[in-house]
Amino acid sequence: EVQLVESGGGLVQPGGSLRLSCAASGFTFSSYEMNWVRQAPGKGLEWVSYISSSGSTIYYADSVKGRFTISRDNAKNSLYLQMNSLRAEDTAVYYCAREDDFDYWGQGTLVTVSS
Amino acid sequence: DIQMTQSPSSLSASVGDRVTITCRASQGIRNDLGWYQQKPGKAPKRLIYAASSLQSGVPSRFSGSGSGTEFTLTISSLQPEDFATYYCLQHNSYPFTFGPGTKVDIK
Repeated sequence: EVQLVESGGGLVQPGGSLRLSCAASGFTFSSYEMNWVRQAPGKGLEWVSYISSSGSTIYYADSVKGRFTISRDNAKNSLYLQMNSLRAEDTAVYYCAREDDFDYWGQGTLVTVSS
Repeated sequence: DIQMTQSPSSLSASVGDRVTITCRASQGIRNDLGWYQQKPGKAPKRLIYAASSLQSGVPSRFSGSGSGTEFTLTISSLQPEDFATYYCLQHNSYPFTFGPGTKVDIK
């Protein structure tokens, strides 16, 4: 069974940093592309970032470019999102999702940016 | 960037009703579109991929159609568990973009 479990969310002050993790199981993680998607409270879904299976190709939404860094460790079956210079508008539930057609999603982790 | 629009933004329907939701892309995306159902407090769940293929385990009352710029999601006979918000997603080109969502609630 495919499972994606996010962790690392929490309360952080504006300008602060946070690192999210997504632990994958039930499939050969190293063979799959991965994404991060977020959802602000009461709002719709927003794609954040993509990483290829090898990690060699990466894309970001303009809203996070230069502040967020996606990475993966295929030996640990894990995906990461390093978030720096956080703003109030980054407050959201962050989901990891598999493949470029988003077939499986994790349950999400809440990031709150507030003083 | 490709913009995705959905209509309606919300609808009220009764159990047993046929429901159709439309998604339009600002430029052609072939059939690189998925439909997702989201219930409050839960992660999105994929219903349809490649515009018209039913995700394994999803009831056959859900169907998708379309190609290029216009797509539809149809629920042939609405069930109580179908009351939720539905999103389309284009994954043809970066940045990937979601539609704004359609909330389906009980009439």
